[in-house]
Amino acid sequence: SAVISQKPSRDICQRGTSLTIQCQVDSQVTMMFWYRQQPGQSLTLIATANQGSEATYESGFVIDKFPISRPNLTFSTLTVSNMSPEDSSIYLCSAGLGGELFFGEGSRLTVL
Amino acid sequence: EDQVTQSPEALRLQEGESSSLNCSYTVSGLRGLFWYRQDPGKGPEFLFTLYSAGEEKEKERLKATLTKKESFLHITAPKPEDSATYLCAVSRGDNAGNMLTFGGGTRLMVKP
Repeated sequence: SAVISQKPSRDICQRGTSLTIQCQVDSQVTMMFWYRQQPGQSLTLIATANQGSEATYESGFVIDKFPISRPNLTFSTLTVSNMSPEDSSIYLCSAGLGGELFFGEGSRLTVL
Repeated sequence: EDQVTQSPEALRLQEGESSSLNCSYTVSGLRGLFWYRQDPGKGPEFLFTLYSAGEEKEKERLKATLTKKESFLHITAPKPEDSATYLCAVSRGDNAGNMLTFGGGTRLMVKP
C-alpha cells in the first residue's frame, strides 16, 4: 500500500488569492492524480500529473487555474489560483500502486 | 463517456440487518471496478478492485461482486462502525495508471 500525506489539511482563504497544496507519497509512483470533492458530492478528476511532463487536465479544468508540478516520483503540488467561493472544496491527491489507487486525507479549502 | 450510478443515495439499517449497495456502470472496456469507503473529513479508503464479471472479493462483513453491467457491495450483519459513504469507481482499459470515474456514493447509516 501507499501512504499519502497532504498539506495543508485545511485552510480558509480570501477571494482572489492563491494556495498551493502539497502531496507526498511514501513510494515512488509513475502517475499521481488530483481530484476535487465539492460539498456533498463525489470525486471529480482535475488532472493527471506525470513526472517529467506537463499535467493532463480534464474537461472543465485549465492549467492557468490549477497549475500542477511533479518534480519527482514521490511529490506533487496543486495550486488553486485566483480563488473564488466556488473553489471551496476538498482537494484530494491520489497515486496508483500495484493496481490500487490510494488517496490522501484531502485538503479542505474554504474561500471567503 | 464513462458513467457510474450508485443506489440508493442513502441507506439506514439496524445493526445486524444485511443489505446490498448497487453500482451500475457504462464504460468502454472496463479495466477495473473499485470500491472505497469514505468517512467524514477523510480521504477514500481502498476496499476492493474487481476486474472481470463473476469475480467476488470479501473483507470482514463486506463482499463485492461484479457483472458486466453492475457491481454489488453486500454488507452482512452490519455494525455501527460500518457507517460511512461507500464509493464505486471504474477505470477504462485504454488509460494507464488507474484514472477513475466515480459514482455519487451511497451514505450508509447503521443504528445500534
